[in-house]
Amino acid sequence: DTGVSQNPRHKITKRGQNVTFRCDPISEHNRLYWYRQTLGQGPEFLTYFQNEAQLEKSRLLSDRFSAERPKGSFSTLEIQRTEQGDSAMYLCASSPLSGAGMNTEAFFGQGTRLTVV
Amino acid sequence: GESVGLHLPTLSVQEGDNSIINCAYSNSASDYFIWYKQESGKGPQFIIDIRSNMDKRQGQRVTVLLNKTVKHLSLQIAATQPGDSAVYFCAENTGGFKTIFGAGTRLFVKA
Repeated sequence: DTGVSQNPRHKITKRGQNVTFRCDPISEHNRLYWYRQTLGQGPEFLTYFQNEAQLEKSRLLSDRFSAERPKGSFSTLEIQRTEQGDSAMYLCASSPLSGAGMNTEAFFGQGTRLTVV
Repeated sequence: GESVGLHLPTLSVQEGDNSIINCAYSNSASDYFIWYKQESGKGPQFIIDIRSNMDKRQGQRVTVLLNKTVKHLSLQIAATQPGDSAVYFCAENTGGFKTIFGAGTRLFVKA
């Protein structure tokens, strides 16, 4: 499978614990995105990388959230001191940067479902 | 502010009929629009896209219509099949990297 891969698929954690999710984008894609999705809602943008540079963070991304993409390939999203409100599906997506600089569709992974108890 | 919304949260159609899912957007600066399909427990899957210099684009069994005058987007699915049952999201992009999603429409296909 050469699509976007996310691990783990499911994570249950106790409130106050730290969690880390991993995303492996499609190999030739230099754009990587993290989104959060709660039940019945569309995905909400969290952050964006172009290669290894994190170019924007949503105000939804509190200080407890940090994302990295150290070598411009895989990315990690860490949530520190988890709260029950962090329970959601965390989606990663990637897209290529077209030669004309135009946006193209993002390809999503299966997501990591986080449950904070 | 920027927003993408949908007229109907749920749509029920008979197998074989055509489906039309509507979407309204508020940012007139948006220049790229995408429809995604999301099945339960899966990530959104790209269906079709359209740029603002077009008003219609066709794919296999799907057509997207864009009316920039009233800021309206629609997805038409021909000969709807049970496998089309899912939540459909329209999404917009304003020329940057951030794609904004609407809340989604759940499509039920009755056999």
